[in-house]
Amino acid sequence: AQSVTQLDSHVSVSEGTPVLLRCNYSSSYSPSLFWYVQHPNKGLQLLLKYTSAATLVKGINGFEAEFKKSETSFHLTKPSAHMSDAAEYFCVVSVVRTGRRALTFGSGTRLQVQP
Amino acid sequence: ETGVTQSPTHLIKTRGQQVTLRCSSQSGHNTVSWYQQALGQGPQFIFQYYREEENGRGNFPPRFSGLQFPNYSSELNVNALELDDSALYLCAMMTSLIPNTGELFFGEGSRLTVL
Repeated sequence: AQSVTQLDSHVSVSEGTPVLLRCNYSSSYSPSLFWYVQHPNKGLQLLLKYTSAATLVKGINGFEAEFKKSETSFHLTKPSAHMSDAAEYFCVVSVVRTGRRALTFGSGTRLQVQP
Repeated sequence: ETGVTQSPTHLIKTRGQQVTLRCSSQSGHNTVSWYQQALGQGPQFIFQYYREEENGRGNFPPRFSGLQFPNYSSELNVNALELDDSALYLCAMMTSLIPNTGELFFGEGSRLTVL
């Protein structure tokens, strides 16, 4: 079985300061990992994905994440927050099991960006 | 823009009624999954369809059922609605099961309110 823990339910930063959203995972299989963003009343949009290639993954809108197997972490970062980054962020672990790909979502981190 | 369309976007039902939600894609993704997202929670996996057959199911009762059509569009049906069924229902599509990265393309969801 796999699980995802997003360590912070809410994160508040000032515009122009760094963003760190933390995600730990557990999996019995080699996982793929994703970060999705959800703006209010919208569906989920893929930010970035890790699929066993480079451990430092760059995504859209200046976000990146580093896969650390030893720490079972996949934290999302951005050097400088913009007001438009305010949204809900979900970390997702994906494994192939019994011929089916199973995805597990974290509970989400709400990012607030203060002017 | 993911190319995944859901309808209706909002609807209100009363307890005991039945509802049908629809999902389609412009991109020919052949695997569709449905998620329930309660307010303030991460999406919970309901079930997945591949080649018109259900090939995976989360912890949801049988009154949640689905269909996938030859053109890969899909329906989610919920019978005997309960108050706790109030949520955003998300459709997600991907191309084939394995090998792939597990990236999902989400619609913007159907928000169901049960009174």
